[in-house]
Amino acid sequence: DAGVIQSPRHEVTEMGQEVTLRCKPISGHDYLFWYRQTMMRGLELLIYFNNNVPIDDSGMPEDRFSAKMPNASFSTLKIQPSEPRDSAVYFCASSGRGPQHFGDGTRLSIL
Amino acid sequence: DAKTTQPPSMDCAEGRAANLPCNHSTISGNEYVYWYRQIHSQGPQYIIHGLKNNETNEMASLIITEDRKSSTLILPHATLRDTAVYYCIVRVAVGGATNKLIFGTGTLLAVQP
Repeated sequence: DAGVIQSPRHEVTEMGQEVTLRCKPISGHDYLFWYRQTMMRGLELLIYFNNNVPIDDSGMPEDRFSAKMPNASFSTLKIQPSEPRDSAVYFCASSGRGPQHFGDGTRLSIL
Repeated sequence: DAKTTQPPSMDCAEGRAANLPCNHSTISGNEYVYWYRQIHSQGPQYIIHGLKNNETNEMASLIITEDRKSSTLILPHATLRDTAVYYCIVRVAVGGATNKLIFGTGTLLAVQP
């Protein structure tokens, strides 16, 4: 079975640029989560969706971050404009009636 | 959500059992204990969860004390590939799905050859 698929795996860009991270959840899962992991703050939840609807975005750091889920098989996390402090590994996870399954993440470096 | 306390690091010899403790003294009656692990450069991986009974699957066993204030994750025969950070998380299961997992700092398990 295909797991959660994230793209790109690595992204390096200059500050001020727009960054878009992509996630394909496991088919049939109705929850989708975006997390960010840094050395300083560990693994923290940014936002999650249920049936494509954002339920809790209290972890989104600021207005520069936005997330969408246009359909059950695709979600994006966008940062505009990007800043060096946004450098982190971003994980997407999905779940149905059971535990969350994570993708392998996108390692983002903002120069 | 109940707070969990784990040792920051542990060592284990390859082939021996690894016993990872977790304290969750403020756990509520409807909160489950979940264990995840994160191998370097990978996403967290679900291991096991339980409410009050001991649980076992192909990866590990979970022992929960009778008062539910602590638990132990047991990897029966640790291998080098089990070297990872192990997270103990306490969370209410809402509608069968877990939301808003809150990851602490976990325990870095180093399996030694």
